[in-house]
Amino acid sequence: RKEVEQDPGPFNVPEGATVAFNCTYSNSASQSFFWYRQDCRKEPKLLMSVYSSGNEDGRFTAQLNRASQYISLLIRDSKLSDSATYLCVPLSGGSYIPTFGRGTSLIVHP
Amino acid sequence: NAGVTQTPKFQVLKTGQSMTLQCAQDMNHNSMYWYRQDPGMGLRLIYYSASEGTTDKGEVPNGYNVSRLNKREFSLRLESAAPSQTSVYFCASSGAGVDGYTFGSGTRLTVV
Repeated sequence: RKEVEQDPGPFNVPEGATVAFNCTYSNSASQSFFWYRQDCRKEPKLLMSVYSSGNEDGRFTAQLNRASQYISLLIRDSKLSDSATYLCVPLSGGSYIPTFGRGTSLIVHP
Repeated sequence: NAGVTQTPKFQVLKTGQSMTLQCAQDMNHNSMYWYRQDPGMGLRLIYYSASEGTTDKGEVPNGYNVSRLNKREFSLRLESAAPSQTSVYFCASSGAGVDGYTFGSGTRLTVV
């Protein structure tokens, strides 16, 4: 079983829509979680960190469900500039080796 | 600006040539990483260095060597380049891991 599983998409949504992605992880010892954003042919950039039940930053909300071992990312009022690939990264306690999946592709259209 | 700097940004090699990709960070991070990313694929860890003076293999180390020259610098060497090593290479660094990872802008390598 892969350490991280995400629906690769693409999720194709109109501007202003609300969209949510899920990410499941296999290592129950994971303690820290991150959402990264990667634009085409660019480096990944940190979007949000999640350490407890969730985190909110403007239009973005991340939630953690430890019982079911998944984290979600909710984007409200989608903008064209939100088009990118979103990567979730779980991190196990004591290990600082990040595990990246293929990510979920989001396309926001006018 | 503080961050991770990679050089070169682009490189074309002939099969069998060697080269070193350079990476430097100025955030006083302990850990550094080298990833490769092929088209439509996720990031795959080549080597990492948890702290100055240590290096360990990642998921795809074959054909590569690394050197943690000091706390700031972590280089990746291809001794005999092969077309299968055509990829985008990203260097990253982190402090204690819990604050996430900072990536360089990447090196686009083509081996012909």
